[in-house]
Amino acid sequence: EIVMTQSPAILSVSLGERATLSCRASQSVSSNLAWYQQKPGQTPRLLIYDTSTRATGIPARFSGSGSGTEYTLTISSLQSEDFAVYFCQQYNSWYTFGQGTKLEVK
Amino acid sequence: QVQLVESGGGLVKPGGSLRLSCAASGFSFSDFYMGWIRETPGKGLEWVSYISSSGSSRGCADSMKGRCTISRDNAKNLLYLEMNSLRVDDAAVYYCARGGKRRLEYFDYWGQGTLVTVSS
Repeated sequence: EIVMTQSPAILSVSLGERATLSCRASQSVSSNLAWYQQKPGQTPRLLIYDTSTRATGIPARFSGSGSGTEYTLTISSLQSEDFAVYFCQQYNSWYTFGQGTKLEVK
Repeated sequence: QVQLVESGGGLVKPGGSLRLSCAASGFSFSDFYMGWIRETPGKGLEWVSYISSSGSSRGCADSMKGRCTISRDNAKNLLYLEMNSLRVDDAAVYYCARGGKRRLEYFDYWGQGTLVTVSS
């Protein structure tokens, strides 16, 4: 099983600042990597797929990058609605999710 | 718009069985892979099972292997998950989610989830 490890577990960032979230796979996932946002009481929302493609309706301030085993989600200028938990997911070999990064207001 | 509505969750005793359903609407159900994912406070999100658009290919996660059967009725736009020999650690919110058209992929739409509680 491919293990996905996200860091940090909690990230404190100020409004308007940049947030960088990391996701590491235990083996290469060949860019088959997605990011989701989940707010309290809501279901996960797809943000990014295929490492860097934004899902429908996702603002341009969200971007993804990476390759092999290392992936990054960047939120360029944090808005109040962006504070949430973010999960990465690989779909190169079955499906596994990271444990999440909680993005909170600094 | 795409809608996925799960049902069938509830309280079950350890060793018991449960059948979850997911009613899909707003898209061509028979064109898409579908999956079940569960969520717990302790383990986060965990993929449980997938099925291809035609139903010819399917699988369950190792944690559910031998205890899980996924199926679909493309004529009725329904997805099912039968779980047997349920354990306390199977308790979770179970989501159905839409996958890709041609292969295992990311999940672009999720239902609101149905809660499964396993307790004596």
